[in-house]
Amino acid sequence: DTGVSQNPRHKITKRGQNVTFRCDPISEHNRLYWYRQTLGQGPEFLTYFQNEAQLEKSRLLSDRFSAERPKGSFSTLEIQRTEQGDSAMYLCASTNGGGKYFGPGTRLTVT
Amino acid sequence: SQKIEQNSEALNIQEGKTATLTCNYTNYSPAYLQWYRQDPGRGPVFLLLIRENEKEKRKERLKVTFDTTLKQSLFHITASQPADSATYLCALEMNTGFQKLVFGTGTRLLVSP
Repeated sequence: DTGVSQNPRHKITKRGQNVTFRCDPISEHNRLYWYRQTLGQGPEFLTYFQNEAQLEKSRLLSDRFSAERPKGSFSTLEIQRTEQGDSAMYLCASTNGGGKYFGPGTRLTVT
Repeated sequence: SQKIEQNSEALNIQEGKTATLTCNYTNYSPAYLQWYRQDPGRGPVFLLLIRENEKEKRKERLKVTFDTTLKQSLFHITASQPADSATYLCALEMNTGFQKLVFGTGTRLLVSP
């Protein structure tokens, strides 16, 4: 078990471009979460999957954001038409209950 | 309004002393409270979870208390070491079935040799 992995670790993109991030959770974990964290703040919840079903989305998740978890394994988070305000660390976490195991995050910079 | 408050100022202590970090919350009714450690540029690492009906939880040099009347949790690191220097995040877990966490802003701990 290598823990939660995320790719890429860093992404620099121009405003208006689309970006996609990938999260590979711990294999036996059926619950997967996406959070966003900006400097000096705690992580903010974005969305939650139980197996392949997306069961909750935050109001922070505008129409430009979409997430999937096909087959209940890895997950992707896509941001369309990126804006400078999207610059943040995007964190993925998985669990079967109790504490959550976070990945290293993808740092997005929108120029 | 709902708030989770942690000391925004860094806590500086000497090696060997006990570090005590505070988490206060308003207008939440968490089922669980969790503490995480976060190092710069890395994801949070789960440390301890305490349930609403538990007063205290210990794990090695760590101790967490949870007072639902005061709406406060205290996080203690005994015999602190420079390697304990990091940001510590408090997170509330609601009894919604989704186990969503709501995080505080974290407190930075600096342990000097």
